[in-house]
Amino acid sequence: GAVVSQHPSWVICKSGTSVKIECRSLDFQATTMFWYRQFPKQSLMLMATSNEGSKATYEQGVEKDKFLINHASLTLSTLTVTSAHPEDSSFYICSAWGNSNQPQHFGDGTRLSIL
Amino acid sequence: GIQVEQSPPDLILQEGANSTLRCNFSDSVNNLQWFHQNPWGQLINLFYIPSGTKQNGRLSATTVATERYSLLYISSSQTTDSGVYFCAVYGQNFVFGPGTRLSVLP
Repeated sequence: GAVVSQHPSWVICKSGTSVKIECRSLDFQATTMFWYRQFPKQSLMLMATSNEGSKATYEQGVEKDKFLINHASLTLSTLTVTSAHPEDSSFYICSAWGNSNQPQHFGDGTRLSIL
Repeated sequence: GIQVEQSPPDLILQEGANSTLRCNFSDSVNNLQWFHQNPWGQLINLFYIPSGTKQNGRLSATTVATERYSLLYISSSQTTDSGVYFCAVYGQNFVFGPGTRLSVLP
């Protein structure tokens, strides 16, 4: 099946640091990638949708200057958490799909801890 | 936007038992998936099932799109089935349900 690689899987860093998370589709072209955030014992919340070559669409309440998304190619999207603070600590997961009539395929997630 | 409900929120089973998980959604969708999130946080894709019925081993799923619900059946449950089961639907964007937390006891 389709494989999506996400890394790093775990990040611990100091407050004020910017952190970049990569999401790659390894064996298919992902026209659309999605970024989710999950707090402990809660469901996944969609943060933003990114299409290759265009600006990301952010969900209501998500700060686009805080969470920078770049989808420069059909196989790579990045999420940069800028000037991270402890409240940004969470589990971030990306997914990718070829089109809306196909399933989305998930990366393994990134656990971000800001000290 | 679309509202997604899942029931039951929690389920405790003895190994070998069968169970049915339900996902209700408030509007028409053209994409529906069931996932199992394991204790490490990995999301395992179980079914892509915007309509109809599918089976994969001990698991099967049915989506009745006209009535806006989907069911996930787990038969002969095993301890490795423990975790959280999510349905996710796509209307204008992806919305996940709150999940069903399943614990299978030996």
